Amino acid sequence: QQPVQSPQAVILREGEDAVINCSSSKALYSVHWYRQKHGEAPVFLMILLKGGEQKGHDKISASFNEKKQQSSLYLTASQLSYSGTYFCGTESGQSDSGYSTLTFGKGTMLLVSP
Amino acid sequence: GAGVSQSPSNKVTEKGKDVELRCDPISGHTALYWYRQSLGQGLEFLIYFQGNSAPDKSGLPSDRFSAERTGGSVSTLTIQRTQQEDSAVYLCASSPRAFTSRPGELFFGEGSRLTVL
Repeated sequence: QQPVQSPQAVILREGEDAVINCSSSKALYSVHWYRQKHGEAPVFLMILLKGGEQKGHDKISASFNEKKQQSSLYLTASQLSYSGTYFCGTESGQSDSGYSTLTFGKGTMLLVSP
Repeated sequence: GAGVSQSPSNKVTEKGKDVELRCDPISGHTALYWYRQSLGQGLEFLIYFQGNSAPDKSGLPSDRFSAERTGGSVSTLTIQRTQQEDSAVYLCASSPRAFTSRPGELFFGEGSRLTVL
């Protein structure tokens, strides 16, 4: 099933913080975060694996709570370049054939204004 | 270029016609994915290739949709008898992932925008 992202959209002023949440009804092996700017391809941000780890990428970090089947993306001191749509992709385990794929949420649109 | 290349970038067609969308992945990437992006629907999984075989076709919405991959490289997504609800951006992604490994970073192309009139 498709993970649920919230909020659907957020508008920030430059320098403000934001949190984007991603939750799944299924047990998760990993959570992946991507950002897509308007008219461009989605670009990889980070992967979080089971273990409740937190990762960072510049002033963008994320956490993964596998017990709650949730991940959160934290954008600190937002910059104009952070504007775009953020997607979480979830991996819910391998099929009988031994592989797994990513299921993406509907995305969270982030607009950072000057 | 070293990225994932998709063609055409834009395609306008009439309802009932067939279309072919092409994806040229990054050289050496064994895994290839097709996703569909409609307004407000996020990235909808269509099909996953590992080499030339497709272990997961579960996302293809109907039997009008098919895809193949030849030589472990280029992939073609074919939509027969197009309908207006097929209008969307079709994204291709590749990764160097081995078959039973976990999915890693996906490298996306810029997509093919399909409009069915």
